[in-house]
Amino acid sequence: EAQVTQNPRYLITVTGKKLTVTCSQNMNHEYMSWYRQDPGLGLRQIYYSMNVEVTDKGDVPEGYKVSRKEKRNFPLILESPSPNQTSLYFCASRTEDRGFFEQYFGPGTRLTVT
Amino acid sequence: AQSVTQLDSHVSVSEGTPVLLRCNYSSSYSPSLFWYVQHPNKGLQLLLKYTSAATLVKGINGFEAEFKKSETSFHLTKPSAHMSDAAEYFCVVIPRGGGFKTIFGAGTRLFVKA
Repeated sequence: EAQVTQNPRYLITVTGKKLTVTCSQNMNHEYMSWYRQDPGLGLRQIYYSMNVEVTDKGDVPEGYKVSRKEKRNFPLILESPSPNQTSLYFCASRTEDRGFFEQYFGPGTRLTVT
Repeated sequence: AQSVTQLDSHVSVSEGTPVLLRCNYSSSYSPSLFWYVQHPNKGLQLLLKYTSAATLVKGINGFEAEFKKSETSFHLTKPSAHMSDAAEYFCVVIPRGGGFKTIFGAGTRLFVKA
């Protein structure tokens, strides 16, 4: 089954304690991205990756890092989480076919930083 | 600049009556267009997508949307609302011809009254 998985699904942590949210896709997609969803603000893109070792900032990259060492994995790293990073996070991957796209979202990770 | 506008932040209908959720987009080329639904505390579920095969797109749960290039619109409709349709709906655009952004509308919350 084609899917994007994220772990953990729920996480409560404290300010300053480094954490990683993993994202993996089994569709061999080149493009992957991370979003955060906040009430009243919708979904905003944090980082994206066009392929292995190629990443770039989205609209709200401050306080986050990513890496893309393998095609299937795209972890999101919070080196020093702060309460304003409490949010619902979605990972996504997508593919292109003759100029049109299909994209798949993970189930989401709800992060609370106290 | 490319953008997506969901014209209503909230829509309220009675059960059994038609649903119309409006979405306009701005894009240089015919984009890939999607509607997603998000039930409370759940992830994003793909309702339907437009990728040029047909301008009238049928999705799951009786939803459909029509791509109107002249009006740059992709409105979501359903002939008869069900209580289980109460959720938030997102119109999403991926510009054709590249670009690495996925552009989300702000969302429309659908209320269904008994």
